[in-house]
Amino acid sequence: AQTVTQSQPEMSVQEAETVTLSCTYDTSESDYYLFWYKQPPSRQMILVIRQEAYKQQNATENRFSVNFQKAAKSFSLKISDSQLGDAAMYFCARDNAGNMLTFGGGTRLMVKP
Amino acid sequence: DADVTQTPRNRITKTGKRIMLECSQTKGHDRMYWYRQDPGLGLRLIYYSFDVKDINKGEISDGYSVSRQAQAKFSLSLESAIPNQTALYFCATSDPRQGRYNEQFFGPGTRLTVL
Repeated sequence: AQTVTQSQPEMSVQEAETVTLSCTYDTSESDYYLFWYKQPPSRQMILVIRQEAYKQQNATENRFSVNFQKAAKSFSLKISDSQLGDAAMYFCARDNAGNMLTFGGGTRLMVKP
Repeated sequence: DADVTQTPRNRITKTGKRIMLECSQTKGHDRMYWYRQDPGLGLRLIYYSFDVKDINKGEISDGYSVSRQAQAKFSLSLESAIPNQTALYFCATSDPRQGRYNEQFFGPGTRLTVL
């Protein structure tokens, strides 16, 4: 089975600091999408950022950016200037042929004031 | 108003009971999905449907069934609930007109507890 691995079950960051969440995946495809979803205590799944594999430029959305290393099959999420509202579960996901999503196990991010 | 709704939001039931979780969407998307979330395992796909007449098993379909009553409605049933089906269940939709890019839009989730 093709897998997505998040090796950090929990992370902690000081407010206003920068934190990086790790994600690795496997795939036999050359073109695919990668996603980071945020799940706050409300349980809602919120798309944070996406990356298309054929694009070499790393995606950026305001304080959120990714470091996409295609050869290494690595897709990390960097959160700059962390805010209390960033505290949540974060899930990395990639799509499969047939447009299914496979999710990692999640990383719980805590933000300390 | 939410684009993807799920009912109920929380449910406690007993082993052996039949349970139905419902999902409705106003996004006009053809594709709908059911996932379950367990701690440390992320979200795993139970069933998916690309249109009203197309229903497919996902990674963990055993013990579950689905019904796609209309483009906007997709229900998940547990025929005889067991405790290891205790989980958070999500419905999601996506738009095939996006092509290869498969952003999925999630409902608010249903917390199911089987005693």
